[in-house]
Amino acid sequence: NAGVTQTPKFQVLKTGQSMTLQCAQDMNHEYMSWYRQDPGMGLRLIHYSVGAGITDQGEVPNGYNVSRSTTEDFPLRLLSAAPSQTSVYFCASSRLAATPLPRETQYFGPGTRLLVL
Amino acid sequence: DAKTTQPPSMDCAEGRAANLPCNHSTISGNEYVYWYRQIHSQGPQYIIHGLKNNETNEMASLIITEDRKSSTLILPHATLRDTAVYYCIVRVNTGTASKLTFGTGTRLQVTL
Repeated sequence: NAGVTQTPKFQVLKTGQSMTLQCAQDMNHEYMSWYRQDPGMGLRLIHYSVGAGITDQGEVPNGYNVSRSTTEDFPLRLLSAAPSQTSVYFCASSRLAATPLPRETQYFGPGTRLLVL
Repeated sequence: DAKTTQPPSMDCAEGRAANLPCNHSTISGNEYVYWYRQIHSQGPQYIIHGLKNNETNEMASLIITEDRKSSTLILPHATLRDTAVYYCIVRVNTGTASKLTFGTGTRLQVTL
């Protein structure tokens, strides 16, 4: 298994440009999510999905769109990049938690470093 | 989800046990304690989680106090590769979503 893969690893954008960050997982996980991490801060949740066709907003969704057409892929779109979106972006996936023996852990990708000029 | 408090940084000598504390005084009865770590520039990595009982796996041990208001992650024999930021997260295992709220964590520096 490749686990969670993200492309590209690095990207430089100009203000106003659009781009899509790709995320894929081969573990048949229902749950996928996107986080951003700014210097000296923890990760903040942008959007998440509990299955194909279902997405929802996290803590900092403004400026980002997502879709989930397949179980494997969860792309993150920046429609009009802004310098405030300069960050490291992490994609994660997991099984949905189950009771009574929760074994859910999240698997993170290697990250995409984005610089918006 | 309950908030957590961790020291910003800690040092540990290689080969010694690293004990990382976490306070979660407002934890609810159905909230679990999770630990993740982030080695420089990499994605976070799951370590361990627990509800009430102490837990141990191949990576670490988790000690949760009887009142559940605090916990300690123990790395029994720290190595240089354990240098990372360690996040203590408290959340409900809802069965429907796996949102994690990361704080700023504890930066553990393992030294020779």
